[in-house]
Amino acid sequence: DAGVIQSPRHEVTEMGQEVTLRCKPISGHDYLFWYRQTMMRGLELLIYFNNNVPIDDSGMPEDRFSAKMPNASFSTLKIQPSEPRDSAVYFCASSYGPTGEQYFGPGTRLTVT
Amino acid sequence: QQPVQSPQAVILREGEDAVINCSSSKALYSVHWYRQKHGEAPVFLMILLKGGEQKGHDKISASFNEKKQQSSLYLTASQLSYSGTYFCGTGPGGSNFGNEKLTFGTGTRLTIIP
Repeated sequence: DAGVIQSPRHEVTEMGQEVTLRCKPISGHDYLFWYRQTMMRGLELLIYFNNNVPIDDSGMPEDRFSAKMPNASFSTLKIQPSEPRDSAVYFCASSYGPTGEQYFGPGTRLTVT
Repeated sequence: QQPVQSPQAVILREGEDAVINCSSSKALYSVHWYRQKHGEAPVFLMILLKGGEQKGHDKISASFNEKKQQSSLYLTASQLSYSGTYFCGTGPGGSNFGNEKLTFGTGTRLTIIP
């Protein structure tokens, strides 16, 4: 398997623009997670899905953030409008079962100017 | 709350041993350990699901003391490839163990020098 795939790998955008991050989990995995990593706050869980259904979005910082998982092989994280403080590395991860190890994608480095 | 890791950073010579601790103010039901190299994604090392459980592979092992609400990661005879930042992730428990919702620790940066 190719592992978790994320796109784009790098994104530079201006404040106020909409940003969409994409993730393809490992085939057969039933959990999908979106994390954000910054120097100040470390690795934070934003939202996760089980069988395409959002289970917990308490980590989503504001209404500007939204995530969807229309099917088992695709998820998006959208920020609208983006702000400089959203600059971070965003990771998508997937796992099989609630006790499964989480496989992380390579991440998307977002820079908002 | 975010689990606290100690030390924050450590420098070792190749072949030396290291211990990384992860402590929580809340009861722990599960602990994951991950390693992240600079500019890369975190990579899973191991998961401990029961208090008192110990695991290991190669020269990396871990223990989980449920009563003390802490876990420790042991790296024996460290190799250059062990360099990176180590994170513990703790699960809140609940149905299906609740392991899927992890809170990651502050990280420990390990540098191995020849």
